[in-house]
Formats: sequence, structure tokens, C-alpha cells
Amino acid sequence: EDKVVQSPLSLVVHEGDTVTLNCSYEVTNFRSLLWYKQEKKAPTFLFMLTSSGIEKKSGRLSSILDKKELFSILNITATQTGDSAIYLCAVEAGGSQGNLIFGKGTKLSVKP
Amino acid sequence: KAGVTQTPRYLIKTRGQQVTLSCSPISGHRSVSWYQQTPGQGLQFLFEYFSETQRNKGNFPGRFSGRQFSNSRSEMNVSTLELGDSALYLCASSEGRGSYNEQFFGPGTRLTVL
Repeated sequence: EDKVVQSPLSLVVHEGDTVTLNCSYEVTNFRSLLWYKQEKKAPTFLFMLTSSGIEKKSGRLSSILDKKELFSILNITATQTGDSAIYLCAVEAGGSQGNLIFGKGTKLSVKP
Repeated sequence: KAGVTQTPRYLIKTRGQQVTLSCSPISGHRSVSWYQQTPGQGLQFLFEYFSETQRNKGNFPGRFSGRQFSNSRSEMNVSTLELGDSALYLCASSEGRGSYNEQFFGPGTRLTVL
């Protein structure tokens, strides 16, 4: 069965800290891995990764994919209170469960 | 451009009833995907519609169905509601089929089944 596992499930840090969120997967016919940020209701897209070893970067956020070890990390440097959210990892795959399989998310709380 | 809109925003139903949720995509977007989010299972893909045809389907029972109209608006129907169907139902639209990196999500419909 296809699955996506995120860790940790929750994390509390202070402003200025650097955090690393993990996402591992076991899927059939991997196509891409996506990261989303969910603050209230609607997730917003962060990154899409398809190739190993190529870092995607946007401001203080960056992400990289390792297709050999089947995981991805999302780094956030110099965290701010506005980074508090649930970060979701999803894998687009060609298995029987449908195209997009989500992890349970990591709830990040950034304290001032 | 207006964003993705979902109606109703909140809904309370009882077991055994059926429910229809509506999603209006961003103008020009032809793909609409539906997701269910619960505390226990997280976010799960339900199905994707593109050009009025269901293109992909997640691992949900047949009680969950949907359709898309010629104006790209989509509806999702759940029949014979169960307590476990209580969830936030999100829809997302994109221009192309399966363009998950270009999806915009709506605010969701919170369904409570009593």
C-alpha cells in the first residue's frame, strides 16, 4: 500500500531557530513530491520536487528530494511566528490509491 | 480573479442522509480535485475531474461520487452518511489536468455527521 510518513508530527521552536521537517514515502510509480503549508483551512503550495539532489529554494524555505532513500526534507531558517502552520507532504504516484497521497502533516509552532 | 469558492461552508447532517457539496473553480481552470481532511487520516485525495470527466479516483467507497459541469463547476455527493464522514472537504482547481503544483485550494466545507 502506498504511504507517506512525516516526522515529527509536531514541533515547537522559538523565533530565529532553524527547523527540518521530514517526509518519507513508499509508493508505486513515483512522479513527484509536493510540500504545502496549511495555516487555517486551504493549503498553499510551496514546492514540487521531481529530481534527486536539486534543492528548491524560496526565501527562508528550501527543500530537497532523495529518490534513492525515498525521502524529502523541508528546511526553514530564521523561523518567524508567521511560519506557524501545518506542513503537508504529498506524493504524486501511479498506484491504486489515486494520484496524490498525503502525509499526516507536521504542526509547527513558532514562539516569539 | 476570484478564488476557488465552496458552498456551503458548514453543514450538519445525520447518519443515513446524503449531502451535496459545491465547488466553483477559478475562472479558466478546467481541473477540479476533491480532498477529505480528518484529524485521524489527514488529507486524502478523493477524485479529480477534468473536462467533465473523472480522471483519477482515490481509495474511497462508492458512496462518494462527483460530477463536473460544462462551466467547470463541480459537485461532490456523499450518500448514506456515516459518522466517519465528518471532515473538512476541500476542493482545488488548476488549469491543467493533474497540475498539483498549480492548484489553488478553496476554503473548504466543514461537514459534521451526527
